[in-house]
Amino acid sequence: QVQLVESGGGVVQPGGSLRLSCAASGFTFSSHAMHWVRQAPGKGLEWVAVISFGGTYKHYADSVKGRFSISRDNSKNTVDVEMSSLRIEDTGVYYCARVNVAGVGAEYFDYWGQGTLVTVSS
Amino acid sequence: EIVLTQSPVSLSMSPGERATLSCRASQSINNNLAWYQQKPGQAPRLLIYGASSRATGFPARFSGSGSGTEFTLTISSLQSEDFAIYYCQQYNNWPQTFGQGTKLEIK
Repeated sequence: QVQLVESGGGVVQPGGSLRLSCAASGFTFSSHAMHWVRQAPGKGLEWVAVISFGGTYKHYADSVKGRFSISRDNSKNTVDVEMSSLRIEDTGVYYCARVNVAGVGAEYFDYWGQGTLVTVSS
Repeated sequence: EIVLTQSPVSLSMSPGERATLSCRASQSINNNLAWYQQKPGQAPRLLIYGASSRATGFPARFSGSGSGTEFTLTISSLQSEDFAIYYCQQYNNWPQTFGQGTKLEIK
């Protein structure tokens, strides 16, 4: 069965950095694009970033462009997001999510991880 | 960017009743709409894709309809486990966007 397990969340000061990781299993990871979606406390869902199946193509939400970097390692079945220059408004639960396509076009998310909490606070 | 507006923001209903949730897009998205169910402390779970196709694991009391700019999620007879927040999401245009959610509460 498909499993996505995020890790790396924690408390960080404004301006700091954090790296989140998502370990995937139960499917052919290298055939799927992967996304990160976040949810601020008590708020709705916001798409953050996507990486294509091979890692060549990457896109970011305007709110994180230039500060976040998504990457993947198909030999380890992991997808990461490196977050820098963190702001208070980056606080929330970060989910990795799978789409049933290889490319970075808009898609629906068929599997989600359980999420990891990032708190940006001084 | 396409804006999705869900209504109502919250809905208080009793088990056994029929629930109708709406999602309106700021421009046509054909049938490229998904619905997700999210329970407290849990990740969202895909419920409907392609506006009307039910995802694995959800019973037939859940149905989706609509195309263009107007979409509806219907739960024919509410069960206790259905009380949750429901989000719509469009994937017709880049970037994919979500509605703000409808909270379905027990009356």
